Amino acid sequence: DIQLTQSPSLLSASVGDRVTITCRASQGINTYLAWYQQQPGKAPKLLIFPASTLQSGVPSRFSGSGSGTEFTLTIGSLLPEDFATYFCQQVKTYPLTFGGGTRVEIK
Amino acid sequence: QVQLVQSGAEVKKPGASVKVSCKASGYTFIRHAVHWVRQAPGQSLEWMGWINAGNGDTKYAQKFQDRVTITRDTSASTVYMDLRSLRSEDTAVYYCARDNMAFDSWGQGTLVTVSS
Repeated sequence: DIQLTQSPSLLSASVGDRVTITCRASQGINTYLAWYQQQPGKAPKLLIFPASTLQSGVPSRFSGSGSGTEFTLTIGSLLPEDFATYFCQQVKTYPLTFGGGTRVEIK
Repeated sequence: QVQLVQSGAEVKKPGASVKVSCKASGYTFIRHAVHWVRQAPGQSLEWMGWINAGNGDTKYAQKFQDRVTITRDTSASTVYMDLRSLRSEDTAVYYCARDNMAFDSWGQGTLVTVSS
């Protein structure tokens, strides 16, 4: 199975900060990587797939990059609604797997 | 708009089975596979399996291979996930999600609690 390692697991930041989350895959997955945002008590929401393509309606302060085994999600300038948990997912190989998540909290 | 609506919360005893439904609307049902993902309290997401809504083919994570069955009813645009031999570790929120290469639409989640 392909393991996805996210870092950090917890990120403390302020409104207006630029933050970056990393997702490392245990083997190459080209750009078959998705990023999701999950608010407490809600279902995940797809932000980016493949690796750097923003989904329709997702604000441009979100961006993704990477290919192969190393990927990043960047939020250019944090807004209050961005404090949430973020997950990466690989869809190259079954079983599909998710990273452990990164919780972005208010500093 | 695309919508997936799941059945309500369930409380089950260890050893029992649970069947969760996921009704799709807003798109052509048979054109997209549907996946099931679960999330234990405070944990990450875990993929369980998927069904090709068009031909009914399924694929399951090895961890659940002998305990889960995913089916669909095309006349009702509904997918079902049946999990058997429940144990306390199966307590989680179960989500269905539409496949569009990634998971572009999700159900609201169904809390399944396994407790004696």
